[in-house]
Amino acid sequence: DQQVKQNSPSLSVQEGRISILNCDYTNSMFDYFLWYKKYPAEGPTFLISISSIKDKNEDGRFTVFLNKSAKHLSLHIVPSQPGDSAVYFCAAERSGATNKLIFGTGTLLAVQP
Amino acid sequence: NAGVMQNPRHLVRRRGQEARLRCSPMKGHSHVYWYRQLPEEGLKFMVYLQKENIIDESGMPKERFSAEFPKEGPSILRIQQVVRGDSAAYFCASSPLSGGQGTGELFFGEGSRLTVL
Repeated sequence: DQQVKQNSPSLSVQEGRISILNCDYTNSMFDYFLWYKKYPAEGPTFLISISSIKDKNEDGRFTVFLNKSAKHLSLHIVPSQPGDSAVYFCAAERSGATNKLIFGTGTLLAVQP
Repeated sequence: NAGVMQNPRHLVRRRGQEARLRCSPMKGHSHVYWYRQLPEEGLKFMVYLQKENIIDESGMPKERFSAEFPKEGPSILRIQQVVRGDSAAYFCASSPLSGGQGTGELFFGEGSRLTVL
């Protein structure tokens, strides 16, 4: 039962353009969503998060949008840089669930110079 | 300020042997999580521990797997009688806070890659 889904295994974008990574979830009890970035042979690192009471959170070049009615969130990276090339994982947490994160399968972003 | 430290980074075991993976959380963090990433898959929650207590082990396989976080020393994930299907990257994460407080942010180690021959 995949509660958090990232349907695009990979995405290729030109440097300077916008990268949009998508994530869908099925459990309406999730109330916190996070994006993690992972380079090969390294652990995931936290990127940005959003509470379910908000629909947008911005941090520099990174913005996360949440559409609760559609159970969909997206990560926008503008402008994309070659150093952004990595696997991006969407994750969700349910309040009171002991910080247990449910991860999607990841999207490999390749930013072409 | 050292991050989450995991060792070994790479471990090779033959079928039937035991694997022990260690995790030292970030300084000041008392909450430890273990996740497993199988090839071509996302990270799957295994277990959440605090010092001397297992809080949530709902993601742990029922047999052969165990975890501990003693009062002194690192957290240990132990896999007995390993099989080829145990080959994966095992990530440890730590947090200064318990769940339900809205942060959700975990700090991950670099992972331990287990290969079972």
